[in-house]
Amino acid sequence: QQQVKQSPQSLIVQKGGISIINCAYENTAFDYFPWYQQFPGKGPALLIAIRPDVSEKKEGRFTISFNKSAKQFSLHIMDSQPGDSATYFCAASKQTGANNLFFGTGTRLTVIP
Amino acid sequence: NAGVTQTPKFRILKIGQSMTLQCAQDMNHNYMYWYRQDPGMGLKLIYYSVGAGITDKGEVPNGYNVSRSTTEDFPLRLELAAPSQTSVYFCASSQEGRELFFGEGSRLTVL
Repeated sequence: QQQVKQSPQSLIVQKGGISIINCAYENTAFDYFPWYQQFPGKGPALLIAIRPDVSEKKEGRFTISFNKSAKQFSLHIMDSQPGDSATYFCAASKQTGANNLFFGTGTRLTVIP
Repeated sequence: NAGVTQTPKFRILKIGQSMTLQCAQDMNHNYMYWYRQDPGMGLKLIYYSVGAGITDKGEVPNGYNVSRSTTEDFPLRLELAAPSQTSVYFCASSQEGRELFFGEGSRLTVL
């Protein structure tokens, strides 16, 4: 059973546009929601993360929006650039510990010039 | 710091062969993980370890074995390779399980 559902599977955006990736979860025990960015040929790396006590977190052009009541969170990439082309994974964690981080299935983003 | 180092980066195996993927981390993290990534399928956890001498199965452990004799090293052993094990394998480490640090991956093809 997929603990975190992610959509879309792939996304093509024009340079300068807004990229939006959505994730949903069911387990209300989740209390930490990170996003990982993976460039081709590389491993995933932490991009930005949010805790449920805030509804939005922004770092540069990247923003996480969090809707606790709907159990949904999303990544917005403003002014998308070709260098943002990568696979993005959302994830959710319910506590610290070795096997408590659950990944979405990933979204392949392509930003075309 | 090198972070998480995986070797080899690429390998081609014949069906039935065995091999070991090496993983080492220099961040003194307690937790280490092996994932496999198939196209469009996300990251699947194979095995993980909470410390030297302690390992546990993840979501897709069949056909694999691990050991953790030191904090730094977490090798993944493939016995009797099958075409279904063609994948990209990622090793990761973490201090508390919230933020994972991944290696660059090992691309394995079984023919």
